[in-house]
Amino acid sequence: NAGVTQTPKFQVLKTGQSMTLQCAQDMNHEYMSWYRQDPGMGLRLIHYSVGAGITDQGEVPNGYNVSRSTTEDFPLRLLSAAPSQTSVYFCASSSLPGGGTEAFFGQGTRLTVV
Amino acid sequence: DAKTTQPPSMDCAEGRAANLPCNHSTISGNEYVYWYRQIHSQGPQYIIHGLKNNETNEMASLIITEDRKSSTLILPHATLRDTAVYYCIVVSSNTGKLIFGQGTTLQVKP
Repeated sequence: NAGVTQTPKFQVLKTGQSMTLQCAQDMNHEYMSWYRQDPGMGLRLIHYSVGAGITDQGEVPNGYNVSRSTTEDFPLRLLSAAPSQTSVYFCASSSLPGGGTEAFFGQGTRLTVV
Repeated sequence: DAKTTQPPSMDCAEGRAANLPCNHSTISGNEYVYWYRQIHSQGPQYIIHGLKNNETNEMASLIITEDRKSSTLILPHATLRDTAVYYCIVVSSNTGKLIFGQGTTLQVKP
C-alpha cells in the first residue's frame, strides 16, 4: 500500500513549456485534489474530483487542467508554464465525505519555471 | 466554507502540553473541524477531527466548545519533532473540500 504517489519530485521548466504532474493512489479513494504551496504560505486548492469523470475548480484553477479517467489517477497539466507557477504541488486523496474522513497527501512535486 | 482564525506562531517547552487555539465562528452544523500539520515542506499529515464532541487519539486531543465556534488542539507532551505548522480546517460533510488558512507555526524548544 503506497498511499499517494506523486511524480516527478522535482522539475525545472522553461517559460511556455507544458508538462503533466502525475498523482496516483492505491486506496480506492473517490475524492482527489491538487494544491499548490508558495513559500511561506498555506496550501491553495487548484482542482478537485469526486470520482472518475467528474472534476471541478478550486481556489486557483487558472493555467491548469485536470481530468479523471480512472479512480486511481488524477494528473495535473500545466498548459503553458509561467514563472508565477513556481511552487510546490501536493496531491491528496480521501474517501467521499459524509462521515468525516481523513485526507492523505503525497510528498509533493517541486516545480521551478525559469 | 467556514473560515478559521489561528495565531501565526506559538512556542512550547519540550515535555509540556501544547494548546493550539482555533476560531471558527461561522461553522455550520454539518461541518467538521479537522487538524493537519506540515513538518518542513512535507505533505500535510492528518492529526484528528471532530464534529461536536471532544476527541482523543494517540497523537492529540481535540476540545470543541459547546457552541462549536472555537476549538483547541492539545499535544499532551510536546517533543522537538512536533515543531511544525498546524492547520485548523473546517470541512463540509457535503463537499469534503479542505481549504487551508495560514496555520500556526509551533516551535517546540528544549
